[in-house]
Amino acid sequence: AQKITQTQPGMFVQEKEAVTLDCTYDTSDPSYGLFWYKQPSSGEMIFLIYQGSYDQQNATEGRYSLNFQKARKSANLVISASQLGDSAMYFCAMRERLYNFNKFYFGSGTKLNVKP
Amino acid sequence: DTAVSQTPKYLVTQMGNDKSIKCEQNLGHDTMYWYKQDSKKFLKIMFSYNNKELIINETVPNRFSPKSPDKAHLNLHINSLELGDSAVYFCASSQVIPSGGVREGEQYFGPGTRLTVT
Repeated sequence: AQKITQTQPGMFVQEKEAVTLDCTYDTSDPSYGLFWYKQPSSGEMIFLIYQGSYDQQNATEGRYSLNFQKARKSANLVISASQLGDSAMYFCAMRERLYNFNKFYFGSGTKLNVKP
Repeated sequence: DTAVSQTPKYLVTQMGNDKSIKCEQNLGHDTMYWYKQDSKKFLKIMFSYNNKELIINETVPNRFSPKSPDKAHLNLHINSLELGDSAVYFCASSQVIPSGGVREGEQYFGPGTRLTVT
């Protein structure tokens, strides 16, 4: 089974509107972590937001929030008030703890286009 | 102060050549990784080193040989380059934090090396 699934290869959103990028995951590690990264056309990987498996509340970082539904194993990224600069690839990732190191799994990404 | 650096940023070479990409992190992390991102933007783990020891080798051809001279460095050497090796290669590092907490185990990425094989 896929560890991380992003089912939206591409999304369009109107500037100033909110958008949700989907991510589901599969793990048996009780101490996992979930991350979202943004990759603009310039190519660098930019950390956006983190959710730990034991966190009771949904993570928020400015205009980014993570809709964490543990029982459904989903970790959707919500971007509020989209801006043109949000146009980029977005990757969902999961960390599993293996003894004394971390292993990461990445989804296939969602390309977000923000329309003016 | 750059956390994870890679050199070179761009690498253009011909088929059959041997090339190396260097990676250094100044974060004091124990674990370093190499990823390959293909033209469809799929990010695939290649190797993971923990304290200079190879932990993960994800069925990468043996033309790829990582080397970790110390915890802060993880270099990638590629022999007999092929057209299919053209991609962006990312180095990353992370640290296990036993107590957990905010952004535990977050990966820090280098800027990437765009390899073009002609």
